[in-house]
Amino acid sequence: GQNIDQPTEMTATEGAIVQINCTYQTSGFNGLFWYQQHAGEAPTFLSYNVLDGLEEKGRFSSFLSRSKGYSYLLLKELQMKDSASYLCAALDSNYQLIWGAGTKLIIKP
Amino acid sequence: EAGVVQSPRYKIIEKKQPVAFWCNPISGHNTLYWYLQNLGQGPELLIRYENEEAVDDSQLPKDRFSAERLKGVDSTLKIQPAELGDSAVYLCASSLGGGEAETQYFGPGTRLLVL
Repeated sequence: GQNIDQPTEMTATEGAIVQINCTYQTSGFNGLFWYQQHAGEAPTFLSYNVLDGLEEKGRFSSFLSRSKGYSYLLLKELQMKDSASYLCAALDSNYQLIWGAGTKLIIKP
Repeated sequence: EAGVVQSPRYKIIEKKQPVAFWCNPISGHNTLYWYLQNLGQGPELLIRYENEEAVDDSQLPKDRFSAERLKGVDSTLKIQPAELGDSAVYLCASSLGGGEAETQYFGPGTRLLVL
């Protein structure tokens, strides 16, 4: 079956760095997405990786290893507004997104 | 440019009543998705449209759920009759085209409570 695993909850301190991991098993693979979702709001797009390596976008970076079925989202210089859920989603061979349950990130002052 | 529009934002109904949700995608987006999201979970696809054609409705509970996208633009999702377990957030998303790795853009969702 198809599966996405990511931690349920993480806690970090304002100004610090946090890495949110995601492992995936899908029927075929056409890339991996990260979305941010604040409580009570819709998911918003953060990043897309289809090739191995690190993609940097401001304070956020996303990494992909296709051979390991692994990705991570790296958030630097954490701010209180980064408190949200972070959803990992893999695109399978039918271009259907397989979603993880999300990682709730709690930022403490 | 306007984003994905959904209405209503909130809906409270009694079980066995019907309910309908409306979605208007981003202009020019051919692919439209309806998702269901429970608290603490990721979105679950209900149906995907390419223009007016439903290309993936395998997860839609067809005994009570129906959807349409008659002119290939806006879409309506209906539940009849609603059950207690249908309480969730119903998200609509759109993308330029479904045959590629296109980014999906989400609307604010409709929060449904069935009493």
